[in-house]
This record gives sequence, structure tokens and C-alpha cells, in this order.
Amino acid sequence: EAGVAQSPRYKIIEKRQSVAFWCNPISGHATLYWYQQILGQGPKLLIQFQNNGVVDDSQLPKDRFSAERLKGVDSTLKIQPAKLEDSAVYLCASSSGLEVDTQYFGPGTRLTVL
Amino acid sequence: AQSVTQLDSQVPVFEEAPVELRCNYSSSVSVYLFWYVQYPNQGLQLLLKYLSGSTLVKGINGFEAEFNKSQTSFHLRKPSVHISDTAEYFCAVSISGNTPLVFGKGTRLSVIA
Repeated sequence: EAGVAQSPRYKIIEKRQSVAFWCNPISGHATLYWYQQILGQGPKLLIQFQNNGVVDDSQLPKDRFSAERLKGVDSTLKIQPAKLEDSAVYLCASSSGLEVDTQYFGPGTRLTVL
Repeated sequence: AQSVTQLDSQVPVFEEAPVELRCNYSSSVSVYLFWYVQYPNQGLQLLLKYLSGSTLVKGINGFEAEFNKSQTSFHLRKPSVHISDTAEYFCAVSISGNTPLVFGKGTRLSVIA
């Protein structure tokens, strides 16, 4: 079974530029999460999707971050414009949505904002 | 709201020695508990999880953890570590299987030859 795929793996941009990350979850997984992991900290939720609907985006900085999951499969996370403090690893995870299921994580995208 | 405290940010240990990584949590409702491992430049991999039942949970790579409700702890243990166990370990909680994980800050385990 293929795991969660993310691209790109690394990205370096200047502040105020825009960037987008892509995630392809495990086939059939209804729930998709984006987490932000700042160096030296644990991952923190940005947004949760159930199929193509948003379940929780309370911690997403909506003035600069946006995310979508068209057709309930792939997802894209965008930052526009980026700030220095957005430097982090962005992790995508998926789960089947069953009561006691496990979240499976992708390899992450490491973003450096200069 | 839930929170997780990992009491040690770094744990150095000699190869073949035992190790314990400590995790305490706070929650007003029942939680599920998880330990994940993160190797350099990789995503998180599930080591083990506690959902219900026996408080001693066995996971992959020889790790185990014990849920202690009265002390709100879920410490991770391994009787004999290998160089390959060098990684970052994260304790996490969720209130159901379909809600976001709340992570601790992580413990960096360094195994010394």
C-alpha cells in the first residue's frame, strides 16, 4: 500500500513570496490533516478535512494561509505572502476516519523563508 | 483542551542500555495515547497506541509503553536500545480516532556506541 505522498520535499523562498505544497493521501482515506512543525517543537494542526469539507481550521492563519481538497482526494496548502516565521516542516497526514484509526504521515515539506 | 508534556528534551543513552522516555498529559475527557518516531528528514511513524484495555502496550521495534490513568502518564520504554533507535520521539493524544493529534515537544534520543 502506497503511503502519503508530499511534494516538494524542500522549498526555499524569499519573504513575501508565495508557495504551495501538495499532498496525496493514502487511497480511500477520507480524513486529511495538515500540520506545521517548527524546529524544536511538535507538530501543530493547521487544518483538517473530511472528504472535501473542512472540519477544523481554527488554527489556520487565514490572512495568509489557504488550503483546499477538491474532489476529496489530493490537497494543496498555500502561503501568500510568506513570512520568516513560516519556516517549518509542513506535514500531511491521512486516516480512514474510523473511530480508532491511526493517522499516517507523509515525509513533509521543509520550507525555508529568507 | 488537551496538552502533552514530554519531560526530557534530550536523552543520551549507551547502546544496549535500557531507556525510558517520559510523557504526561492533561485532559478533562478520556483520550487515546500515541507514540510516534521521527527519523531525520522523514515523516512520523507510529510506534504504538493505547485505545483501551490492557495498560501495557507493545509496539514496533521492541518498544512498549504503560498507561497510568492516576498519574496521567504514558511513558515509553525499551529494555535494550540500538544505534538505529537514534531519533526524535513524540507523544501525542487525541479524544477520538478522527480528531487531530495534540503533540508534545518531542524527546531526542541519542544512542551512543
